[in-house]
Amino acid sequence: DQQVKQNSPSLSVQEGRISILNCDYTNSMFDYFLWYKKYPAEGPTFLISISSIKDKNEDGRFTVFLNKSAKHLSLHIVPSQPGDSAVYFCAAVDHNTDKLIFGTGTRLQVFP
Amino acid sequence: GAGVSQSPSNKVTEKGKDVELRCDPISGHTALYWYRQSLGQGLEFLIYFQGNSAPDKSGLPSDRFSAERTGGSVSTLTIQRTQQEDSAVYLCASSLAAYEQYFGPGTRLTVT
Repeated sequence: DQQVKQNSPSLSVQEGRISILNCDYTNSMFDYFLWYKKYPAEGPTFLISISSIKDKNEDGRFTVFLNKSAKHLSLHIVPSQPGDSAVYFCAAVDHNTDKLIFGTGTRLQVFP
Repeated sequence: GAGVSQSPSNKVTEKGKDVELRCDPISGHTALYWYRQSLGQGLEFLIYFQGNSAPDKSGLPSDRFSAERTGGSVSTLTIQRTQQEDSAVYLCASSLAAYEQYFGPGTRLTVT
């Protein structure tokens, strides 16, 4: 049973436009969420996180929004750049087990 | 500073052979995780080491998989009698907590 879901396997966006990557979760006990970015042949790298006490966290071109009532978070990248082309994983912290529960990822392609 | 390193970066093995994958975590990180990513899939948790506690092996797919962490540092993931479905990228991560895990570049295992 997938507790963290990324329903869009891929997304294509033109350079300069906004990229919106979505993530849904089922466990209401999750209270900390992270986004990781992965380039081919490299391990995932931490991008941005958000605690459930907030509904928004911004870092440069990257903003994560959290809607607790909908159990939904999204990552906004604006403006999108070709170097943003990668696979983006959403993850939730399970405090009971100290593990990260990852989504299946969304492949973002930013074209000129 | 040195990040998480993994070796080998690529491994091709024949079905039925045993393989060992190595992970060198970031110095001082008490937690170490193994994941695998099969083609088109998300990050699948395999095993988690935290300090001197007994490892959480709940993600290991079969008894052909085992892992050790010697001296609280280097970890080895062993797959015995490899099968073609074991082909995947095996990722190691270390952290001081579940938050912000730092990943290695992964080992791409191909079982022929």
